[in-house]
Amino acid sequence: DQQVKQNSPSLSVQEGRISILNCDYTNSMFDYFLWYKKYPAEGPTFLISISSIKDKNEDGRFTVFLNKSAKHLSLHIVPSQPGDSAVYFCAAQAQNSGGSNYKLTFGKGTLLTVNP
Amino acid sequence: GAVVSQHPSRVICKSGTSVKIECRSLDFQATTMFWYRQFPKQSLMLMATSNEGSKATYEQGVEKDKFLINHASLTLSTLTVTSAHPEDSSFYICSANQAVHEQYFGPGTRLTVT
Repeated sequence: DQQVKQNSPSLSVQEGRISILNCDYTNSMFDYFLWYKKYPAEGPTFLISISSIKDKNEDGRFTVFLNKSAKHLSLHIVPSQPGDSAVYFCAAQAQNSGGSNYKLTFGKGTLLTVNP
Repeated sequence: GAVVSQHPSRVICKSGTSVKIECRSLDFQATTMFWYRQFPKQSLMLMATSNEGSKATYEQGVEKDKFLINHASLTLSTLTVTSAHPEDSSFYICSANQAVHEQYFGPGTRLTVT
């Protein structure tokens, strides 16, 4: 039972255009969401996050939108650059995670390719 | 910024042997560290949560006797894969919590069991 879903395994966009990566979740206990960027054979790098009390968070070219009622979030990258090409993981966290404090539940990732 | 290191970055071992992977938080203290496993083109799967000074909490389906976790200090957690088999070959990644929501990942360890 996958609690965090990234239904698009890959996305290809042109340099300068907007990249939109989507993520859905099923667990209503999740109250904090994060996006990570990952290159092959490396650990994930934190990009941006959003608390469930907000619906938008912006950091430079990256904006994350959260629609709690739809249990959906998206990451917008604009303008996209070739260096953004990587796998992007959506992750969710529940403050009350029982014995596993603050553990993250990851989606399967979306491979973004930004073409020059 | 917060830095997490892992050692070794890659290791090849023979079936039946044990392998230890170290995870260190270099510039902060981490009461909680996490161990993940990633198969090719798959998501990161949480294996266990490691709390300093106490027993690790394992996720369902993860054999605690096979994947031994020790969190002896606030900056070091180790994962030992005991009696490794080829199916244990994978990419193992650790992370450390600096604050409630701030989780920093190590660069990962590629384990190949022959």
